[in-house]
Amino acid sequence: DIQMTQSPSSVSASVGDRVTITCRASQGISSWLAWYQQKPGKAPKFLIYGASSLESGVPARFSGSGSGTDFTLTISSLQPDDFATYYCQQANSFPPTFGQGTKVEIK
Amino acid sequence: EVQLVESGGGLVQPGGSLRLSCAASGFTFSNYWMHWVRQVPGKGLVWVSRINSDGSNTRYADSYADSVKGRFTISRDNAKNTVYLQMNNLRAEDTALYYCLREGRGTRNWYFDLWGRGTLVTVSS
Repeated sequence: DIQMTQSPSSVSASVGDRVTITCRASQGISSWLAWYQQKPGKAPKFLIYGASSLESGVPARFSGSGSGTDFTLTISSLQPDDFATYYCQQANSFPPTFGQGTKVEIK
Repeated sequence: EVQLVESGGGLVQPGGSLRLSCAASGFTFSNYWMHWVRQVPGKGLVWVSRINSDGSNTRYADSYADSVKGRFTISRDNAKNTVYLQMNNLRAEDTALYYCLREGRGTRNWYFDLWGRGTLVTVSS
């Protein structure tokens, strides 16, 4: 199975900050990567697919980049609604696997 | 409203069984492949199983640490807009929050564009 490693595991930031989360795959996955947002007690939300394509309805302050083994999720200006845990997922090969999550906390 | 609602979780003894259900609404359920993913509280997400749109093809996690093959069975009833996960011979390590997921179509193929809120399974004596 492909291992997905996220860093950092948590980040403290303020409203308005630029936040970048990294996801690394144990082998090349081309651009077969998604990002999800999870808030406590709620269903995870699909944010980005194909490494950089924004899902409909997701604010433009979210962006994704990368290919091969290294990927990033960037929140350009952190908003109060963005404090959550973020997961990456590879879709290049079976079974789909997820990173361990990055918690974005209020500073 | 487009949503998935899981049910059927609970406390069960080791070696016992549970059947999880996931009721879909707001979309044409029979057009979509469906998956189950689990999450140990405070830990990451682990894929468990998937079923294709007409129920003719299924797959299960079978790596050593996450193996459910031979113990879990995924199925669906398109007339009832429901997907199931029958879990037998449960172990303590199966304790987790189980999520039902919809796989996207077209360019969203192999990604999970809709999630339920999960149902908690606790395996303990």
